[in-house]
Amino acid sequence: DTEVTQTPKHLVMGMTNKKSLKCEQHMGHRAMYWYKQKAKKPPELMFVYSYEKLSINESVPSRFSPECPNSSLLNLHLHALQPEDSALYLCASSQGDRGQGTQYFGPGTRLLVL
Amino acid sequence: GESVGLHLPTLSVQEGDNSIINCAYSNSASDYFIWYKQESGKGPQFIIDIRSNMDKRQGQRVTVLLNKTVKHLSLQIAATQPGDSAVYFCAEGYGGATNKLIFGTGTLLAVQP
Repeated sequence: DTEVTQTPKHLVMGMTNKKSLKCEQHMGHRAMYWYKQKAKKPPELMFVYSYEKLSINESVPSRFSPECPNSSLLNLHLHALQPEDSALYLCASSQGDRGQGTQYFGPGTRLLVL
Repeated sequence: GESVGLHLPTLSVQEGDNSIINCAYSNSASDYFIWYKQESGKGPQFIIDIRSNMDKRQGQRVTVLLNKTVKHLSLQIAATQPGDSAVYFCAEGYGGATNKLIFGTGTLLAVQP
């Protein structure tokens, strides 16, 4: 089973709202990732969690706040977003965080910021 | 044919033909390469990977070729089917301290019936 699940599938929010994206995997993977993908572009890495600790933050604005409550769950808290933050947000996981670990992606959450 | 520029590079093939999607990678230290398929409205789906100590790897109907001399990766799809229509991304990884992947720009494969 190589399934990564994400909720919600779609989200519309205003610039003053607070919302959260959720990601879950039950493959025993110890590394989890958040990516942002704009239309017709490749995924861009935002955050990496390794063994439930934040290991990479790709200079993401503080209005995006990741959280890893346990080894199976990854959240992305959103606050005071801008319209340009509208995108597909992808979660991925891999067995480990040290090189050559295949990343498996979820279906994504399509976010629209009004 | 292919088109580049403001639009995603596109490869149009006839159903049943073989497809070859190319990718140039940037980091000569990269030692792990992956091809992903992304259908409209879905997340990237793992297709096949290859380590830098190999130059060819085969899967079901797919073959990945790696040429480290010119930093080139290709994905060959045999007997292309309409269900193969998608955007294909190559990604390179470095087996160092992190598992960070660098994605290519992507190629849209359009299969004509």
